[in-house]
Order: sequence, then structure tokens, then C-alpha cells
Amino acid sequence: GNSVTQMQGQVTLSEEEFLFINCTYSTTGYPTLFWYVQYPGEGPQLLLKVTTANNKGSSRGFEATYDKGTTSFHLQKASVQESDSAVYYCVLGDRRTNTGKLTFGDGTVLTVKP
Amino acid sequence: NSKVIQTPRYLVKGQGQKAKMRCIPEKGHPVVFWYQQNKNNEFKFLINFQNQEVLQQIDMTEKRFSAECPSNSPCSLEIQSSEAGDSALYLCASSLSRQGEDTQYFGPGTRLLVL
Repeated sequence: GNSVTQMQGQVTLSEEEFLFINCTYSTTGYPTLFWYVQYPGEGPQLLLKVTTANNKGSSRGFEATYDKGTTSFHLQKASVQESDSAVYYCVLGDRRTNTGKLTFGDGTVLTVKP
Repeated sequence: NSKVIQTPRYLVKGQGQKAKMRCIPEKGHPVVFWYQQNKNNEFKFLINFQNQEVLQQIDMTEKRFSAECPSNSPCSLEIQSSEAGDSALYLCASSLSRQGEDTQYFGPGTRLLVL
């Protein structure tokens, strides 16, 4: 089956520091990779999406690159702000299943201190 | 921003009671998903629909869980006999298609507490 691994459960940074969140995935299908962000009291919302066709996605200063060789999809941001504090999920979609079911990583809680 | 509406936002039930929650997907989205998010932030896919038909569901939902998406009415997820382990955030999402590459838009969730 499909799986997603986020090794970092928690990341704490100060404002303007560099963010890197590790994500690796496993699938025998045709992946589309997402990063979703969830703020307290809200549902997850799309941060960025990458398919095998475009390899790299970016949004609001965040970037992620899909690497088929290492099956990785790490998230990074050059300079974080306090408002970036949230839970970040690496998510795998699989076109092979034809049902749209997503596989979520366990999430990384990002805390940015002012 | 997502326009998926979920009601109620909070639900408190005793063990053995029915718990029902509703979802209105984004306009024009024929595919609806239900996920359960536990207190450890782990997501579990429950069931999904395209229009009124079930696409896929896990074994758990075949027993105490039931769901439907009737035409011209909100989708619903119902737990027939709630258990303490059902306490979680229930998230509804909708999408333009059932292709794994299409974005799913999530509602704010219904937080169920089973006492």
C-alpha cells in the first residue's frame, strides 16, 4: 500500500530562520504529492501540490521538490514568520486507485517564536 | 479558501448513542470524502462518494458507521452506537474528480466527544 513518513514531529524556530521538513513516501502507483497546512480549529488547507509532470511547487514562500529517485518531497521556506505556526502534512494521492483517497503523513507541528 | 460546510462543529454523545454529522461540499464538486483525525493528528480515510454512489469504504464503516450523499441534500455520516474510541475530528472534503491528483478541499470538521 501507500505510505508517507514525516520524521519530524515537532519543529521550533525563531522568526526569519530557515525551515526544512523532511518527507518520504512509498507507492507503486502514480503519485501526486501535496503539502497541507492545518491551523487550530480549522480543517487542512492546500499549501502546494506537485505532480510527476512539474516536479516543483511553491506557494507563499514555501517550496517543495518531488524527487522520484529518493522518493522524497521535502518542504522548505527561507524565512519563517510567527504566522506560519501550524501543523504541516505531507500527503500522497495516487492516480492508480481511481478513488481519490489520500494518504497523510503524521504531521509536523511548527512553532515559530517571535 | 474552502467552502465546504460542516455541521455541527461540536458533538457530545454518550456511549451507545447515535452521532450524526453533515457536510455540504463545494458547489460543483461531485466527489465527497470523509476522514477521521484522531488526537495524535493521524488521518484515517472512512468513505467516499461520487454523486450518490459509494466509491470506497473501509471495513469499519460497514459496521457501525453509515454515510450517504443524497441528491439535493447535505451528505451525512452517522455512527449508530458511539464508542469512546470514536472521539475524534471528522473531516469532510470535496473534489472535482476522484483522480488522485485533484485537490481535496476540507471543511472545518465536526469534533465528536463520546463520554
